[in-house]
Amino acid sequence: QLQLQESGPGLVKPSETLSLTCTVSGGSISSSSYYWGWIRQPPGKGLEWIGSIYYSGSTYYNPSLKSRVTISVDTSKNQFSLKLSSVTAADTAVYYCARHVTTVTNQGDYYYYMDVWGKGTTVTVSS
Amino acid sequence: EIVLTQSPGTLSLSPGERATLSCRASQSVSSSYLAWYQQKPGQAPRLLIYGASSRATGIPDRFSGSGSGTDFTLTISRLEPEDFAVYYCQQYGSSPLWTFGQGTKLEIK
Repeated sequence: QLQLQESGPGLVKPSETLSLTCTVSGGSISSSSYYWGWIRQPPGKGLEWIGSIYYSGSTYYNPSLKSRVTISVDTSKNQFSLKLSSVTAADTAVYYCARHVTTVTNQGDYYYYMDVWGKGTTVTVSS
Repeated sequence: EIVLTQSPGTLSLSPGERATLSCRASQSVSSSYLAWYQQKPGQAPRLLIYGASSRATGIPDRFSGSGSGTDFTLTISRLEPEDFAVYYCQQYGSSPLWTFGQGTKLEIK
């Protein structure tokens, strides 16, 4: 059974860089049918997509965060990582990693959704 | 940017009742790009419905999705105690690539 696990510091100082890693177990990150991505949820608020990466290294970022975000993949370790620079208190959130399914049916219909999520890790930005 | 607006913000119902949750898009969304998630306190979101109407693996058949274009609906036919949670719709395809609605909280009346 595929599992995702986020890891990284729970406390980051303002203006510094937030760094998180998602470790994929029970399956390969190098599958052609999936992207891998990060989503965050500020306390008491909704979900915000941060960005996604394919095992080849192709990335897509939320334009609202693009200037501060870098997502990378390490297929040898079955991991992908998030770096968010110049953080402020507004970046305090639970950060989730998730598998993004991109699939096409025999009829040629494309489907996109996020089917497996990590449990999330809380990151607080504070001095 | 496609904005997803969910209504109502909070829905108060009793177990056994039928719940109808709405997700309206600011522009037309392909049905196959629309998904619904359930989130309980302290937990990650859980995929319920993809392609607007296909149930994910292991999801009970009391959950159903419908809709097309700009209007989508999640229906829970007979509420069980474990169904009280926050529900999010999500779309893929417009910049930003993935967007979520603001959520509907389903609470016990």
